[in-house]
This record gives sequence, structure tokens and C-alpha cells, in this order.
Amino acid sequence: EPEVTQTPSHQVTQMGQEVILRCVPISNHLYFYWYRQILGQKVEFLVSFYNNEISEKSEIFDDQFSVERPDGSNFTLKIRSTKLEDSAMYFCASRGDRVRGNTIYFGEGSWLTVV
Amino acid sequence: DAKTTQPTSMDCAEGRAANLPCNHSTISGNEYVYWYRQIHSQGPQYIIHGLKNNETNEMASLIITEDRKSSTLILPHATLRDTAVYYCIVTISSGSARQLTFGSGTQLTVLP
Repeated sequence: EPEVTQTPSHQVTQMGQEVILRCVPISNHLYFYWYRQILGQKVEFLVSFYNNEISEKSEIFDDQFSVERPDGSNFTLKIRSTKLEDSAMYFCASRGDRVRGNTIYFGEGSWLTVV
Repeated sequence: DAKTTQPTSMDCAEGRAANLPCNHSTISGNEYVYWYRQIHSQGPQYIIHGLKNNETNEMASLIITEDRKSSTLILPHATLRDTAVYYCIVTISSGSARQLTFGSGTQLTVLP
């Protein structure tokens, strides 16, 4: 069964450093997402991406965050200058369309620890 | 997206059916009911979704009331591996703005 894959599974970084989280969405999907979950809290929407541009973003997704689809397969989340409060599990997700299927599928997550 | 209400937690005996309720009284005509679950801190796992008819797949059944204001997810023979947080989410089916809003969900504990 096709799946969303994420790397790294766990990253520890120092405050102020830049971090890039990588995702390989399901191959024929068109819509891509990043969510995050701070330990013990709800899963929160960060951003959605379609047709090579951001289609929607939450208040959390401020100027320190950016997303990119640098090639035909990867989808990345960059955090420019990490803060302690960025420590969380980050989930990538993807979906197709009416033809390919509208269900959103999630990866297993990248656990980011900022020290 | 319409708001949903779920019990905070439920227990179920292993081998018995687990029935997880969800209220979504403000659901709109073009909104679907989706169920996901999250085992420990893994990624949310899709279970099932429906619009107005009852649905069944290899994982679960979804019963939606006729007025669509509530639904029940049924795991027919719960196992210990079904212990997870279950999320009921109401959302439009398509379009670039479509995304999922997670609530607190129901912590289902399957007891041996």
C-alpha cells in the first residue's frame, strides 16, 4: 500500500539553527500538508500546498516557516531559526483528488527536539 | 468545518465491539464524516469516511444517523492493538482549501 514517508524520524537541534524536514508524498497525489503535534496536545494544521503554491496556512505558520517542492517527489518544511517551542512531532500528509481519491494520508512523523 | 463532540475516553473488552460516538449537529450538506486514529505518537491513520449512507471496510463500520447530526464508529472485534485516540472529523470532500481540524478525540482503551 502506498505511504507517505518522512525523514528524519528524530532530529535534535540547537535553538537558532535551521531545520529541514523532508517528506515523500504518495506518488500520484496533488495536495500536500504539514501538521504538528506538541507533546500531549492536539494535532494542529500548519499549511497546505497545491499546484506549487501555498493554498492555506494557519497562524502558527509564520515567517520562520517555509515549504517547498524542490523536485517531483519531495515536499519539505524548513524552520529558519528554531525556538524551544518548535519542539514537536511534525506530520506530512498528502491526498489526491476526486479521481485519485480525496482521503488525506499521513506519514509517521518527524520528531523535532530543540535544545 | 463543522465542530464535533466526542467522549474523552472509553474502555472496551478485547474481542467485543467498540462503539465510538460522535456528535456533529452543525454539519453542512456537503460535509463528510471522517474517522482517523492515532496510536501513541504515530501519524494519524485513516479509518473510514461517509456522507450519509452507512459504510463498511476491512477496519470498521460507520453508522450515520438519518439527520446526519451524529455518527458511530464500530470496531467489530476490538483487539489490544486498537487502543488509540480516535478522531471524528467533519470536512468538505474536495477543493484546495480542504484540510482536517483535529479535536481531542476519544481515547479508546481495549482491555484484556
